[in-house]
Amino acid sequence: GAVVSQHPSRVICKSGTSVKIECRSLDFQATTMFWYRQFPKQSLMLMATSNEGSKATYEQGVEKDKFLINHASLTLSTLTVTSAHPEDSSFYICSVGAGGLDTQYFGPGTRLTVL
Amino acid sequence: AQSVAQPEDQVNVAEGNPLTVKCTYSVSGNPYLFWYVQYPNRGLQFLLKYITGDNLVKGSYGFEAEFNKSQTSFHLKKPSALVSDSALYFCAVSSPYDYKLSFGAGTTVTVRA
Repeated sequence: GAVVSQHPSRVICKSGTSVKIECRSLDFQATTMFWYRQFPKQSLMLMATSNEGSKATYEQGVEKDKFLINHASLTLSTLTVTSAHPEDSSFYICSVGAGGLDTQYFGPGTRLTVL
Repeated sequence: AQSVAQPEDQVNVAEGNPLTVKCTYSVSGNPYLFWYVQYPNRGLQFLLKYITGDNLVKGSYGFEAEFNKSQTSFHLKKPSALVSDSALYFCAVSSPYDYKLSFGAGTTVTVRA
């Protein structure tokens, strides 16, 4: 399957600052990537679908101006959490749609803590 | 709308015993079904999938799952569990229309030595 990396693995920031999380597909050219959010001891919730060279598609209830997604190349998608608040603290995981998109391969996740 | 139910929050088994993690789904049309495993503070690892074909699917680390259309189930099984199988397991479903994954709540598996 595809190998996916995320950077950073952990980040702590102050309330009101912005944080950028990178998702890289290391061995596969990904036209589509997905961003998920996972709260402690809960399941993954899809936030948005990131499409290379075009605007991301956000799920209902996800603020697109708060969670900015850029998919500038076939190997990199970024998620920027703008004006972060403590309630944005979560585990953010990206995935790459590979094998005709029917299978997603996940990155190791980024733990965001907003103080 | 599509959804997945994992009725058990936790499954506890002794090492060497069979392991079963249950999953039922709801989706319009033919389902794409997946099992993923997550270790603490890590992303998800792909175990296996059912798209079409044989109802019994074999995956990584000795796991298998059986697609049952009449019962809308896709239970994960392993004949002989290992302590290292202790982790959080997610069942997920998508459709061929948009490939968006919907996850179950997850089942924590604990295998005791």
